[in-house]
Parts: sequence; C-alpha cells; structure tokens
Amino acid sequence: NAGVTQTPKFRVLKTGQSMTLLCAQDMNHEYMYWYRQDPGMGLRLIHYSVGEGTTAKGEVPDGYNVSRLKKQNFLLGLESAAPSQTSVYFCASRFRDRGFVSYNEQFFGPGTRLTVL
Amino acid sequence: KNEVEQSPQNLTAQEGEFITINCSYSVGISALHWLQQHPGGGIVSLFMLSSGKKKHGRLIATINIQEKHSSLHITASHPRDSAVYICAVRYPRDDKIIFGKGTRLHILP
Repeated sequence: NAGVTQTPKFRVLKTGQSMTLLCAQDMNHEYMYWYRQDPGMGLRLIHYSVGEGTTAKGEVPDGYNVSRLKKQNFLLGLESAAPSQTSVYFCASRFRDRGFVSYNEQFFGPGTRLTVL
Repeated sequence: KNEVEQSPQNLTAQEGEFITINCSYSVGISALHWLQQHPGGGIVSLFMLSSGKKKHGRLIATINIQEKHSSLHITASHPRDSAVYICAVRYPRDDKIIFGKGTRLHILP
C-alpha cells in the first residue's frame, strides 16, 4: 500500500495563478483532511471531508476550495494564489470512528511545499 | 489562542537521557494524538489515547483526563529521536483535531 500520497511535492506560483493539489489514499478511509503548516504555528485545518461527495470548512478555509468526487481522492484548489498561501500543505486520512471507545488515528501524506511569489 | 499548549518548545539533551514532553489542553476531549515530524518533514503517528498509558518500544505516552494533561516520555534517548513532537486533541462529537505548536527535540551524541 502506498498510504497517503500528495502531488506535487514542490510548486512555485506567481500571485494570481491557480493550481490544484491532489491527495490520494489507498486505505479505504472515509475521512480526509487538508492542513497547512506555517513556522511557529501548529497544523491548521483548511477543509475536510467525512465521505465521498461531502466537504466542510475548517479553521482557515478562505482562498481554498476542495472536492471529493471519489473516496480515495481529495483535491485542494487555489483559485488565485496569494503570498499568504505560501506554506507546507499536508493531507491526512483516517477511518470513521466506530463506537465510543475506538478512536482512529490520522495518517499523513509527505507534504507539498508551495511558494507564492 | 491555541487551545493545546506544549512544553517545552525546544529541548536539547544528551544521548541516553530520559525525555519528557508535556501537553495541556483547555476543555474535555475524546482522544489525544502524539505525532512525530522528522527533519525531512514527514509526519508519523506515535500514539492515540483516550485514557491511561501506552508504550511502544522506548516511547511511553500517558494521559490524565481530570487534569487535562498528557506526557510523552522517551527512555534511553538517541540522536535518531531528534524531531518535532506534536500533540493534537479531538473533541467529543467533532471531526476536527486541534494541534499544538510542537516541541523540537535535539539529542546530542
């Protein structure tokens, strides 16, 4: 199993350009997440999905859109990139919790380093 | 205001020392997650716990629900343990996780 993969690993954009980050998981996880990590701050949730066809906003959703058309893929889009979106982006996935005593851990992708000039 | 506080922020120790990293949170949680981020950037899950104590090799994680506090211990530390250790909490009836800022650990040979 490849686990959680992210494409691309690195990208440099100019202000105003658009791009899509792809996250794929082969573990049949229901939940998928997009985070950003910035120096001096903890991981912050951008958007997440609890199943195919459903998405929800996280802590810092502005400037991003997401789609989950297939269970194994979660796409993060930047329609008009800004320098403030320079960050390392992590995707994660996990199984849905079943019952009150079973809490499933998240598995993380390797990250995408994005620079917006 | 970060709802998850880790201490210390940075820690340098000699190989072989016993290491303790602390995590405190402000409200009741359903589970707490300890993660390790390597210098190359990859994030690995260490423990997920909702009560008591878990052990894996030289790593031990404990949680005190009443005190809203968790600790991660490393016994017989080794330079390969050098990494950032991240604490994250999940709240009841919530699908999201709140992360601490991490503790940067450096073990000297």
